[in-house]
Amino acid sequence: DADVTQTPRNRITKTGKRIMLECSQTKGHDRMYWYRQDPGLGLRLIYYSFDVKDINKGEISDGYSVSRQAQAKFSLSLESAIPNQTALYFCATSDLSRGPSTDTQYFGPGTRLTVL
Amino acid sequence: RKEVEQDPGPFNVPEGATVAFNCTYSNSASQSFFWYRQDCRKEPKLLMSVYSSGNEDGRFTAQLNRASQYISLLIRDSKLSDSATYLCVVNPWTGGFKTIFGAGTRLFVKA
Repeated sequence: DADVTQTPRNRITKTGKRIMLECSQTKGHDRMYWYRQDPGLGLRLIYYSFDVKDINKGEISDGYSVSRQAQAKFSLSLESAIPNQTALYFCATSDLSRGPSTDTQYFGPGTRLTVL
Repeated sequence: RKEVEQDPGPFNVPEGATVAFNCTYSNSASQSFFWYRQDCRKEPKLLMSVYSSGNEDGRFTAQLNRASQYISLLIRDSKLSDSATYLCVVNPWTGGFKTIFGAGTRLFVKA
């Protein structure tokens, strides 16, 4: 089984709809992240969480919200989806316990979201 | 200027060729560096960390040049399976989280 899973894998929705993307991990990592990827722009950080009680905005948090329900679960919501939120969304985890040089991020398989 | 810049490519090389990618970063305080590989429509995966002394993993060699603020990835004896996008990743570690991903360099290895 994959260590980081995302649901759904693909979603097509309409403008104005509320959407939730879910992420679960079995790696036991405290840190979790949500990114979006657009062609030519690379990965951009939406939100990150260093533990259950810690939520932080990334560089493009407007229009998104998150919830860290447990150490293993981190969900991303689009309260009112708009077409420019069409993108590939990745959840990731990391473990900083051995220092920054080992802060490898482990990504889920991604959710392809299309907002019409 | 972008914080992390990469040549987007694509690089088209024949099997067996040696290819090198560079990545420049703007924050001189950056402390950790990585190369990730991303296959088409798949998630990024760590290829290798980049250490100050340079490091090698089989056909892959990564180098860090702090004075010029760039990292490099050298792939020797290219295989068809090396075709992917290579992402440069930099982490400044200056008060708060800020891992920055480059937009990636696409590599196509041809038979």
